[in-house]
Amino acid sequence: GAVVSQHPSWVICKSGTSVKIECRSLDFQATTMFWYRQFPKQSLMLMATSNEGSKATYEQGVEKDKFLINHASLTLSTLTVTSAHPEDSSFYICSAASEQGGSEAFFGQGTRLTVV
Amino acid sequence: AQTVTQSQPEMSVQEAETVTLSCTYDTSESDYYLFWYKQPPSRQMILVIRQEAYKQQNATENRFSVNFQKAAKSFSLKISDSQLGDAAMYFCAYRSQYNFNKFYFGSGTKLNVKP
Repeated sequence: GAVVSQHPSWVICKSGTSVKIECRSLDFQATTMFWYRQFPKQSLMLMATSNEGSKATYEQGVEKDKFLINHASLTLSTLTVTSAHPEDSSFYICSAASEQGGSEAFFGQGTRLTVV
Repeated sequence: AQTVTQSQPEMSVQEAETVTLSCTYDTSESDYYLFWYKQPPSRQMILVIRQEAYKQQNATENRFSVNFQKAAKSFSLKISDSQLGDAAMYFCAYRSQYNFNKFYFGSGTKLNVKP
């Protein structure tokens, strides 16, 4: 299957700082990228969907100003957690899909964010 | 809105035996895609199997097969000849064909495989 690279795999930051997570599709053009948040032993909660060159579509209850998503190219999307607080600590996963490649989405390795 | 429900938080199966994981979903759409993803301890999501709603034939991938009941909005996963490497979290997922941005997951089922 296609490869999606997510970086960093883990990050620790101080409360009040911002953290950027990158999601890259390495061997295909991702027309759509999804950002999920996963709490321990729980499911993936869809946070937002981004399409290249367009503003991200956020799910209800997700703060747009807190979780900034940029999808500047067909191979790169970024999630920036602004003014991070301990309650933002979580596992964040991105996935990428190409309509030319079929219906499935390919996942990054995930990022463990810890805010101290 | 579409919802995906997995009613079995945890299941156990003996090695080499068969286990079935349940999934139901709620949608008003007629065309969509359903998936089963596996998440091992590494937390890397891996696609197990995919089903297009317009296809009546159930999808199969080696030891993995589904029982897709469109009218009942049911999509179960059967794992035959279970192996220790099958132990993982399994997530059922729904993707709309009309709005590709809608890609939702169920709560997951933890599968334990006993040697």
